Amino acid sequence: EPEVTQTPSHQVTQMGQEVILRCVPISNHLYFYWYRQILGQKVEFLVSFYNNEISEKSEIFDDQFSVERPDGSNFTLKIRSTKLEDSAMYFCASRRDRGNHEQYFGPGTRLTVT
Amino acid sequence: ELKVEQNPLFLSMQEGKNYTIYCNYSTTSDRLYWYRQDPGKSLESLFVLLSNGAVKQEGRLMASLDTKARLSTLHITAAVHDLSATYFCAVVRTNTGNQFYFGTGTSLTVIP
Repeated sequence: EPEVTQTPSHQVTQMGQEVILRCVPISNHLYFYWYRQILGQKVEFLVSFYNNEISEKSEIFDDQFSVERPDGSNFTLKIRSTKLEDSAMYFCASRRDRGNHEQYFGPGTRLTVT
Repeated sequence: ELKVEQNPLFLSMQEGKNYTIYCNYSTTSDRLYWYRQDPGKSLESLFVLLSNGAVKQEGRLMASLDTKARLSTLHITAAVHDLSATYFCAVVRTNTGNQFYFGTGTSLTVIP
């Protein structure tokens, strides 16, 4: 069964460094999302992406964040200059098409900023 | 902003007992999802509820949706240890990018 994959599973970085989190959505899906979950807290929406552009973003998704679909398969989240409070689990999700609202979540990348 | 609240936040129950988790949300939505999350793991889809009055059951879990009351319930029947996990409800706001708004989560521990 097709699934969303994410790499790496765990990333440790120093404050101020740039990180890129990678996701490979399900191949025939058209809508892509990033969410984050700070340890022990709820899952929060960051950004949605469709047709090669951001369709919606939350207040968390400030200028330090960017997303890209550099080729036909990868969907990346870049954090330009990481802060301690960026430490969280980051989940990628994809959705098939306009008529199908279910999102399929990847296994997540645990980001630890030291 | 759409708010999604669950209660209780923590639930400790004995095996064999029944209990209900509640999910309230603050705006109109006719799609609600329930997910299970084991520690350090991703979100596993349990139920998709698409209309008022929808009821779905899988094993010892049953979910229902009342869109008029903006309430969904997840009922656990005769709990077993394997059900220990955190359960999240998520509401979809379909008119703005389809983002999910997750509830606060209910951490369930089933005690033998």
